[in-house]
Amino acid sequence: QKEVEQNSGPLSVPEGAIASLNCTYSDRGSQSFFWYRQYSGKSPELIMFIYSNGDKEDGRFTAQLNKASQYVSLLIRDSQPSDSATYLCAVNTGGFKTIFGAGTRLFVKA
Amino acid sequence: GAVVSQHPSRVICKSGTSVKIECRSLDFQATTMFWYRQFPKQSLMLMATSNEGSKATYEQGVEKDKFLINHASLTLSTLTVTSAHPEDSSFYICSARGGARQETQYFGPGTRLLVL
Repeated sequence: QKEVEQNSGPLSVPEGAIASLNCTYSDRGSQSFFWYRQYSGKSPELIMFIYSNGDKEDGRFTAQLNKASQYVSLLIRDSQPSDSATYLCAVNTGGFKTIFGAGTRLFVKA
Repeated sequence: GAVVSQHPSRVICKSGTSVKIECRSLDFQATTMFWYRQFPKQSLMLMATSNEGSKATYEQGVEKDKFLINHASLTLSTLTVTSAHPEDSSFYICSARGGARQETQYFGPGTRLLVL
């Protein structure tokens, strides 16, 4: 089992819809959770981080964390074509290393 | 805040030469820096982790004599690809963690290396 798992996609949603991106992790001791966005040919950029169970909202983005189920998700409301990118889930267990998932490709159709 | 720069952004070199890539944290002190490599349409691959003033820790399968990492200060790390070959052509990305949120990694813009 991979340490951080994501569906590779592509996930295709129409413009204006809600895009839901999911991630599971294997280490129950994980403490910090991150979502990065990576456009084609560019480096990843941090979108959100979440530490506590529940929801955290920032603009059109909502991160959801469920430590009991070892599950973290990212919702993008009112999806725009400019949201089309690969979304990386990352998990830190408190040590030096943050484990990245392979990413989910999102396409938002105009 | 939390800006990481990389230089150069793009480099083309001949096979057998060495290339140095710089990674700087511009507005925070980076306790740890990471070097990744990414081939087209593939995932990030962690190459090594470095802490200021100490030797880098390389991931399995990454040749430390080929990819020399120097983390000379809390704001600068360098990656030198020695005796580069065409198969070393890739997108090299550094990231740094430190500052207010110690566990958060911030990425540089990446360096695209093409070895002819």
